[in-house]
Amino acid sequence: NAGVTQTPKFQVLKTGQSMTLQCAQDMNHNSMYWYRQDPGMGLRLIYYSASEGTTDKGEVPNGYNVSRLNKREFSLRLESAAPSQTSVYFCASRGEKLFFGSGTQLSVL
Amino acid sequence: SQQGEEDPQALSIQEGENATMNCSYKTSINNLQWYRQNSGRGLVHLILIRSNEREKHSGRLRVTLDTSKKSSSLLITASRAADTASYFCATVPLMEYGNKLVFGAGTILRVKS
Repeated sequence: NAGVTQTPKFQVLKTGQSMTLQCAQDMNHNSMYWYRQDPGMGLRLIYYSASEGTTDKGEVPNGYNVSRLNKREFSLRLESAAPSQTSVYFCASRGEKLFFGSGTQLSVL
Repeated sequence: SQQGEEDPQALSIQEGENATMNCSYKTSINNLQWYRQNSGRGLVHLILIRSNEREKHSGRLRVTLDTSKKSSSLLITASRAADTASYFCATVPLMEYGNKLVFGAGTILRVKS
């Protein structure tokens, strides 16, 4: 089993560019999450999806959109990237515990 | 604001010593979980303790939960250099829609060989 697969691993954007982070899980989980991790701040929840067809805002949703394409896939989109969105992004899916992807290191210049 | 806060922020010990990390949280919870993150990697689940449990063991890990004080501790016994990582507590707030986990800022553990 691959678990949670997240792409890309690294990305550099210029301010104002857009991009989509992809995430897929093969564990048949209903719940999926997007977190960002910044130094000294732990993980902060951006958006989550409790089940296919539903999405909800987390702690820091501004500047992001998400799509729960199907049960397996949950994508995160930055429509107009800003330097404040420079971070490491993690996708996760959940049974009782969370399974994380390997992360995307995003730099916005 | 974050639900869980770990203490200390950083801990440096010698191999073979025990490491204790603490977590405090703010609201009533369903369960509390501990995760480990090696540098540059995603988080890995270590152990889950439910709100009606007081202590749980898994190998060299021992977790306690005191719901009256809204706190938990993670003890790693006989530490090894490979235990060097960041450790996070995460809580599932009671009655929270979507079963969201809320993470603390983490404790950075360094085990010197």
